[in-house]
Amino acid sequence: AQSVTQLGSHVSVSEGALVLLRCNYSSSVPPYLFWYVQYPNQGLQLLLKYTTGATLVKGINGFEAEFKKSETSFHLTKPSAHMSDAAEYFCAVKNTDKLIFGTGTRLQVFP
Amino acid sequence: EPEVTQTPSHQVTQMGQEVILRCVPISNHLYFYWYRQILGQKVEFLVSFYNNEISEKSEIFDDQFSVERPDGSNFTLKIRSTKLEDSAMYFCASSEQALVGQETQYFGPGTRLLVL
Repeated sequence: AQSVTQLGSHVSVSEGALVLLRCNYSSSVPPYLFWYVQYPNQGLQLLLKYTTGATLVKGINGFEAEFKKSETSFHLTKPSAHMSDAAEYFCAVKNTDKLIFGTGTRLQVFP
Repeated sequence: EPEVTQTPSHQVTQMGQEVILRCVPISNHLYFYWYRQILGQKVEFLVSFYNNEISEKSEIFDDQFSVERPDGSNFTLKIRSTKLEDSAMYFCASSEQALVGQETQYFGPGTRLLVL
């Protein structure tokens, strides 16, 4: 069965610092991987996705993620955090036509 | 930009009552989904729907739940007799395709259901 694990339910960074949100997946077939963001009182918005091809995927708002098969990881990064990045971030893997989500990581950004 | 909309944004109901949560998917999308998120827990898949029938459902989606596309625009989730543990945020999503694995699902803002 496919699954994702997000290490760290809360991550705090200073404005301007590197953001690193971790996601590891388990899949017996080549995975389709997604990162979604949820701002307060809003729905889930797609940040980026990996399907096939280039392993470094660029998304919206300066975020990117690298698919590493050897490490079964799909960590999300942003070089310089902004206050507006404060939100909950979900990693997900596609299984047939449904998404299987991780438990989420809440990102706090301090001035 | 087209978006998925959901109504109501909040719903409070008494245990045992029926609720209907409504969603308007993106207009050219053909695949529809319901997910839920119990407070403090992960987002969980409930059901997927295509061509007027359920294509997949989770073990959460028991006989108390049903989905319907009553017209060309709405997609509804009905809970027949609500339980306390049905309290959650319910998200509707839609996509153009489903069997193509990389297809993006677009989510609505959610309906927060509280069962008292």
